[in-house]
Amino acid sequence: SQQGEEDPQALSIQEGENATMNCSYKTSINNLQWYRQNSGRGLVHLILIRSNEREKHSGRLRVTLDTSKKSSSLLITASRAADTASYFCATDSLSSARQLTFGSGTQLTVLP
Amino acid sequence: NAGVTQTPKFQVLKTGQSMTLQCAQDMNHNSMYWYRQDPGMGLRLIYYSASEGTTDKGEVPNGYNVSRLNKREFSLRLESAAPSQTSVYFCASSYSRVGGSGNTIYFGEGSWLTVV
Repeated sequence: SQQGEEDPQALSIQEGENATMNCSYKTSINNLQWYRQNSGRGLVHLILIRSNEREKHSGRLRVTLDTSKKSSSLLITASRAADTASYFCATDSLSSARQLTFGSGTQLTVLP
Repeated sequence: NAGVTQTPKFQVLKTGQSMTLQCAQDMNHNSMYWYRQDPGMGLRLIYYSASEGTTDKGEVPNGYNVSRLNKREFSLRLESAAPSQTSVYFCASSYSRVGGSGNTIYFGEGSWLTVV
């Protein structure tokens, strides 16, 4: 069963707008990671946020984590056409730290 | 630095045939993984190897076997392919030896397998 579930499943925005994707999970976690997948390619790590952190930034990316709600959000600011990809959250639970469990992803399309 | 390399990129199998997906990493990582990705399902862990000489089942191990040949290589074998195994397979690796918490996973480019 999947630990993380992204919302929305698909998102289409104009270049320059901000994109927000959400991830909800079921069990307590050590860390939550976000990955990006371009069409036909492997996944690439974007950012990791630990369970004791509430917010983290990396360039145009901002990740928040609310452990009380078991949810995380990924914000991409000033989006570009090159940001078009699928975005996945991944969690490692307290009971199974060696395994990352991936959600089903959000397909982001940034229109030029 | 090639990262994670997996072969073949594409393969068509007939039901009942066997094949092995090969994977190698050159990052001196301890842990290696095999995932499958199906539309709308995200990635599901098939098997993983936390260190050389060990392998463990993931979420969907049935119909697969793995071999951690050495620290660099981790192969996935389909003994008798079924149409339900049509999927995209990803090999991955991470530095973690004991516990994967907080470790970034590096992925290969994927192998597209079709079983007819």
